Amino acid sequence: KAGVTQTPRYLIKTRGQQVTLSCSPISGHRSVSWYQQTPGQGLQFLFEYFSETQRNKGNFPGRFSGRQFSNSRSEMNVSTLELGDSALYLCASSLDGFQPQHFGDGTRLSIL
Amino acid sequence: QKEVEQNSGPLSVPEGAIASLNCTYSDRGSQSFFWYRQYSGKSPELIMFIYSNGDKEDGRFTAQLNKASQYVSLLIRDSQPSDSATYLCAVKRNSGGYQKVTFGTGTKLQVIP
Repeated sequence: KAGVTQTPRYLIKTRGQQVTLSCSPISGHRSVSWYQQTPGQGLQFLFEYFSETQRNKGNFPGRFSGRQFSNSRSEMNVSTLELGDSALYLCASSLDGFQPQHFGDGTRLSIL
Repeated sequence: QKEVEQNSGPLSVPEGAIASLNCTYSDRGSQSFFWYRQYSGKSPELIMFIYSNGDKEDGRFTAQLNKASQYVSLLIRDSQPSDSATYLCAVKRNSGGYQKVTFGTGTKLQVIP
């Protein structure tokens, strides 16, 4: 069974640009959550999607947005990038959001 | 007070010893508890989850939950150098029909050969 797939693995952007990250969950999983991980803050919850609806949202500015498609694949968009957005962005999928989550390998975003 | 607290470590144990990792949480409504292992430069990997008070064993790993005292622990028996990693505790609670997940900042474990 394939795991959670995130693309791309690495990204380098400059301030002010925008970026879109992609996540394909484990087959059959309908819940997709996004996290930001930095050395100082640890794992911070961004949002969760279930059946194409955002079900839960963390405390991040509106520059961070996401969506989920009918096949449960999800995308996360960050607009007007700032230096502080440099982080590892992790996607995790779960059968229904109540079962344990499994993480993808992440996208490492660097802002220059 | 942080919602989920872990000692950042590093926790150093000799090879073959028992490593004991602890996590405390503040929300008494928390319902499910998870341990993830994260190697440097890698993503978190689920290794254990526990829902009920008591112990749950899986191979060399044992998760222990005490809801009255609001702590969850992970014991690693016969520790190996390959167990050297950061261990993240995650706590879930039901909030308005969805699950709120909070992660601790992790404990770094070093197993000394």
